[in-house]
Parts: sequence; structure tokens; C-alpha cells
Amino acid sequence: DTGVSQNPRHKITKRGQNVTFRCDPISEHNRLYWYRQTLGQGPEFLTYFQNEAQLEKSRLLSDRFSAERPKGSFSTLEIQRTEQGDSAMYLCASSLTSGGFGDEQFFGPGTRLTVL
Amino acid sequence: QKEVEQDPGPLSVPEGAIVSLNCTYSNSAFQYFMWYRQYSRKGPELLMYTYSSGNKEDGRFTAQVDKSSKYISLFIRDSQPSDSATYLCVFRGATNKLIFGTGTLLAVQP
Repeated sequence: DTGVSQNPRHKITKRGQNVTFRCDPISEHNRLYWYRQTLGQGPEFLTYFQNEAQLEKSRLLSDRFSAERPKGSFSTLEIQRTEQGDSAMYLCASSLTSGGFGDEQFFGPGTRLTVL
Repeated sequence: QKEVEQDPGPLSVPEGAIVSLNCTYSNSAFQYFMWYRQYSRKGPELLMYTYSSGNKEDGRFTAQVDKSSKYISLFIRDSQPSDSATYLCVFRGATNKLIFGTGTLLAVQP
């Protein structure tokens, strides 16, 4: 399977704990995106990387959230001191820039976080 | 006013029906207009995209954009049970982030 993969698929944690999610993009895709989707809503943009550089962050990404993409390959999203409001599906997407529209974002299956 | 408004669902239709899904938007800077489909417990997948006003057809799917009215639609002809999913209208401006509608849940009954 050469699509975007995310691990874990499900995470249940207690309020106040730290959690880390991993995303492996499609090989050679230089852009990687994180989105958050709550029940009954569309995904909301969190941040994106071009290679290893984090180029844009949403105001939704509070200082409890940090994302990295070392060496421009996989990415991790860490949430510190989780709150119940962090419960959501965290989606990762990747794309290959090729000019024009050519930036189709391919999504992974997501990591569902439940904070008790 | 929200940046994107999408007709709420759920929508239930019989197999073979024509389905119309609609969104309005307020941001004139949007350059690309897309429809993504999301099956339960899966990530969204791109169905169609366009960057100009008018119609674009792909098999049973037609995407329609009216920039003057800031209105986009997706039509599904001869709907099938396998079309049952959440359909998301999606927009992109000069930056790379996607702006999603809330989604319309479609159920096609056999």
C-alpha cells in the first residue's frame, strides 16, 4: 500500500496526558499537512510542511500542539496536556508540488483521539 | 457569515436518482473549487476539481461553479449505493490550505 499511513489509528488518553501521532506520507511527496476533524464537521487546517520546513500554522494550533517533520519524511504531531476539547480525528495529507493545481492532497485514514 | 456554507444532510435517495449537493462561499480569493468524498472511518478523497466558472463532467459526476454568485454544486446521475458517503465541498486560495464545508451525508437506498 503506497498511500498515506497514520499511526496509531485510535488513541484513548486521560486528560492531562501527552500524546504523539505519526504520519508517513506518500513517498517523494514534498508537502505534508495536518488537519483536525470533529464530529459532524469538515476537516480544519492545522499546519503544513514543505520538506522539513513548517510554512504555515493555524491559530487553532495552540502552544500545546507541536508538529515536526525531520528530514522531510515522516511527521509527528504532539499534543501536550490534552484536554477533552482535543478529542477529534487528526488527518494527515501529502502532496507533490508540480505547478498549477498539481497539489492534490492525498489523505490518510486519520488517528481518532479520545480524551477522557 | 461563515466562509463556507454547505447544505446540511442527511440526504436519502433511491438508487438511480439524481443527487444535487450545494455550497456557497464568501471568500473571493478562492481559486480552486473541489469536491471530496469521505467514506465512514476513512480520509477524504478528491472527486473533482475546477478553477473556472461553468460545468465539468466526469462520468456520472458534474461539478458546477458560478463565481459571480459564489455558488458551487455537485450533481450525481444514476446514483448507486456505493455513492453513499459524506460529500465535502472544498476550496483553496493562494495558500495551500484547504477550506472544507461541513459535509453532506448521502445515503443511496437500493
